[in-house]
Amino acid sequence: DIQMTQSPSSLSASVGDRVTITCRASQSISTHLSWYRQKLGKAPELLIYAASSLQSGVPSRFSGSGSGTDFTLTISCLQPEDFATYYCQQSYSDPTFGPGTKVDIK
Amino acid sequence: EVQMVESGGGLVQPGGSLRLSCAASGFTLNSHWMSWVRQAPGKGLEWVANIGPDGSQKTYADSLKGRLTISRDNAKNSLNLQMNSLRAEDTAVYYCVRQHVGAKTVFDYWGQGTLVTISS
Repeated sequence: DIQMTQSPSSLSASVGDRVTITCRASQSISTHLSWYRQKLGKAPELLIYAASSLQSGVPSRFSGSGSGTDFTLTISCLQPEDFATYYCQQSYSDPTFGPGTKVDIK
Repeated sequence: EVQMVESGGGLVQPGGSLRLSCAASGFTLNSHWMSWVRQAPGKGLEWVANIGPDGSQKTYADSLKGRLTISRDNAKNSLNLQMNSLRAEDTAVYYCVRQHVGAKTVFDYWGQGTLVTISS
């Protein structure tokens, strides 16, 4: 299995902040990387796929980059609804998720 | 509107069985791979199994292989997951998930989930 790691595991931020979350794969996955946001008590929502493609309907403040083993998710201007947990997921082989990054209010 | 509604969760004793169902609407089911993804209480996400558009291709997570059977009925717009020999560690919310057309194993729409609790 391809192992996914994320950093940081949690962070505190304020509305309007720029936030960056990092995801690393245990082997190269090209750009087969997606990002999800999960609000408390809700199902995850797809934000980014193919490392940098914005899912339809997702605000443009979300962006993704990277290839190979190292990837980033950037939220350019944090909104109240963005306080949530974020997961990366590889789709190069049988899908696996990162452990999550919790973004909470500073 | 794309929608998946799961049912069939509940409390089951260790060693028991359970069949989860998912009712899909708002899209053409037979155009999509479908998956089940689970989340143990307070934990992260774990992919469980998926099935191809016509039901002929099925893949299972290695850790669960042999205890699960995924199936679908496109005519009834439904997806199912039969789980056997259940263990305490199978306790989780189970999500029915649509896979993105054209993007391998990308999960673009999720149901609200159904809670499975394994306990004596």
